[in-house]
Amino acid sequence: QVQVVQSGNEVKQPGSSVKVSCKASGGTFNKYDFTWVRQAPGQGLEWMGRVTPLSGTATYAQKFQGRVTITADESTTTVYMDLRSLTSEDTAVYYCARERGGPTDYAWGSYPHAFDLWGQGTMVIVSS
Amino acid sequence: DIQMTQSPSSLSASVGDRVIITCRASQNIFNYLNWYQQRPGEAPKLLIYAASRLQTGVPSRFSGSGSGTDFSLTISNLEPEDIATYFCQESYSSPPSTPTFGQGTKLDIK
Repeated sequence: QVQVVQSGNEVKQPGSSVKVSCKASGGTFNKYDFTWVRQAPGQGLEWMGRVTPLSGTATYAQKFQGRVTITADESTTTVYMDLRSLTSEDTAVYYCARERGGPTDYAWGSYPHAFDLWGQGTMVIVSS
Repeated sequence: DIQMTQSPSSLSASVGDRVIITCRASQNIFNYLNWYQQRPGEAPKLLIYAASRLQTGVPSRFSGSGSGTDFSLTISNLEPEDIATYFCQESYSSPPSTPTFGQGTKLDIK
């Protein structure tokens, strides 16, 4: 059974950093990209960035450039999202999701990318 | 970035009804369109990918159609467990543009 399990909820002070982890198990870790999406209370979904574990390459939404780092550890099949200089506007649920359609995801064929397996979410509250 | 606009933003329907949610892209995205269901308090779940392909394990009462800029998600024979918010998402964007989601359609049961 393939699953993605995230670390627990966090409460952070403004100006600090948070690092959320996402452990994937039951599948071939480095065949897929992993993406991070966040959802502020009562709001929609916002894509933050992705990492390709096979190469270690990460790409980020322009909004978060310079403030977020997404990494992957193949030895533990874990992906990390590190967000710095937190403000109250970063209060949200952060989701990790497996992304299908990457260059080594042969089982997906030529279909467009999609996020097919999501973690349970990690609530990050930024408050003084 | 590509803008995705869903309608309606909310709707109420009865068990057994047929429900249609639409999503419009600000430019041609061919079939690069996915639909997700998010039940209250849960993570999103992929329902439809490539505009019309049903994800494994998703009930056949869900279907997707469209291409280019106009897309729709249809739920036939609405069930109580379909209470959720539904999001469309385009996967056409490539860096530096980012994949974007629609604002969501909240569905509840009358």
